[in-house]
Amino acid sequence: QVRLQESGPGLVKPSETLSLTCTVSGGSISGHYWSWIRQPPGKGLEWIGFVSYSGSMSYNPSLKSRVTISVDTSKNQFSLKLSSVTAADTAVYSCAGSPNYNLIAYWGQGTLVTVSS
Amino acid sequence: QSALTQPPSASGSPGQSVTISCTGTSSDVGGYNYVSWYQQHPGKAPKLMIYEVIKRPSGVPDRFSGSKSANTASLTVSGLQAEDEADYYCSSYAGSNGVLFGGGTKLTVL
Repeated sequence: QVRLQESGPGLVKPSETLSLTCTVSGGSISGHYWSWIRQPPGKGLEWIGFVSYSGSMSYNPSLKSRVTISVDTSKNQFSLKLSSVTAADTAVYSCAGSPNYNLIAYWGQGTLVTVSS
Repeated sequence: QSALTQPPSASGSPGQSVTISCTGTSSDVGGYNYVSWYQQHPGKAPKLMIYEVIKRPSGVPDRFSGSKSANTASLTVSGLQAEDEADYYCSSYAGSNGVLFGGGTKLTVL
């Protein structure tokens, strides 16, 4: 059973870069698509982007200029970097994965990231 | 890139059926058979309930079913049970725009 665990700072200052890592256990990072999704408090889900095991990627057009998602197959991890954050980026950030790009089969529990000085 | 449109709430009594709609455009819902539905209980991670419009992952009760007509997808929950009370989100592949989610529907079992 594939399990995902997010890690990273829970507090980021405005204008700085949010960095999170997702560790994949119970399965290989190869052969899958790995996504980041966020959920502002009390609001709905927002897809941030995904990267494939081979390195191809797709990002939410509204975030594309600030987002980088990368994969480290040697550590069975993938990462999210979101630059120039503002209070509007405060949300629960979840890592997720799937053998297909068109659905999400596995979800992490999510981690709250607050943007505040 | 607009979110898919879902009703904010839906409700039904135990044993009844309820249908939740998810409306997009020909560039997402109508253009691909890649609509998924997720169930989210408070404080929990979402769970995949339906994928590729009509398919159920292993372990999901057959009380849950999906369908699509033109630019609108639907999730039907038959034989409502108390544990079905949750938030439900649709999503669709949207080509070069990646993946879109709906705003979510809070399902209440009366």
